[in-house]
Amino acid sequence: DSGVTQTPKHLITATGQRVTLRCSPRSGDLSVYWYQQSLDQGLQFLIQYYNGEERAKGNILERFSAQQFPDLHSELNLSSLELGDSALYFCASSVEAYGYTFGSGTRLTVV
Amino acid sequence: QQPVQSPQAVILREGEDAVINCSSSKALYSVHWYRQKHGEAPVFLMILLKGGEQKGHEKISASFNEKKQQSSLYLTASQLSYSGTYFCGTEIVQGAQKLVFGQGTRLTINP
Repeated sequence: DSGVTQTPKHLITATGQRVTLRCSPRSGDLSVYWYQQSLDQGLQFLIQYYNGEERAKGNILERFSAQQFPDLHSELNLSSLELGDSALYFCASSVEAYGYTFGSGTRLTVV
Repeated sequence: QQPVQSPQAVILREGEDAVINCSSSKALYSVHWYRQKHGEAPVFLMILLKGGEQKGHEKISASFNEKKQQSSLYLTASQLSYSGTYFCGTEIVQGAQKLVFGQGTRLTINP
């Protein structure tokens, strides 16, 4: 157990639907990051939150949004889902100058 | 800008050495290295900071050439457990913490 908790582990949904992925960071970590990893691809940065505020945005689609709550857990909302959104979505947390701790990921399949 | 890793794939016999390179076109503050096994989350190996020293972790070590914006990961006397995909992640701005990952290097260790 890395200390970063992601739920659910697997999600199968239809095109056009909306889903919410949840992440609880490691205790004490203020930064939360979301990454998308398509089949056998690299890790694409989506968005970063620090202590409740958005700090950086990557290649995140307008159909996607995220937030970090006062208890520091974060949610990634994906709407109007398309087949191409099928991927592993990782959440990670960190403190400055240390490495990321990744959660086990949510595998999203859009059918 | 995504860092470039080389080689894309390596196949070794157990006990052989490997070097994985990571190159950026931008000035870097830090370089991270991660290993990901198939279907699992990336696991942090080490971080190299600008002005810092070469790091080591058992038989895995890394260097950071600030002038060339390059980092290399050295795996000595490789073990079967070293198999996986290795990613470098680069941080451009100190404190930004947002990592941009390379495309990965797939390492296969055969008995």
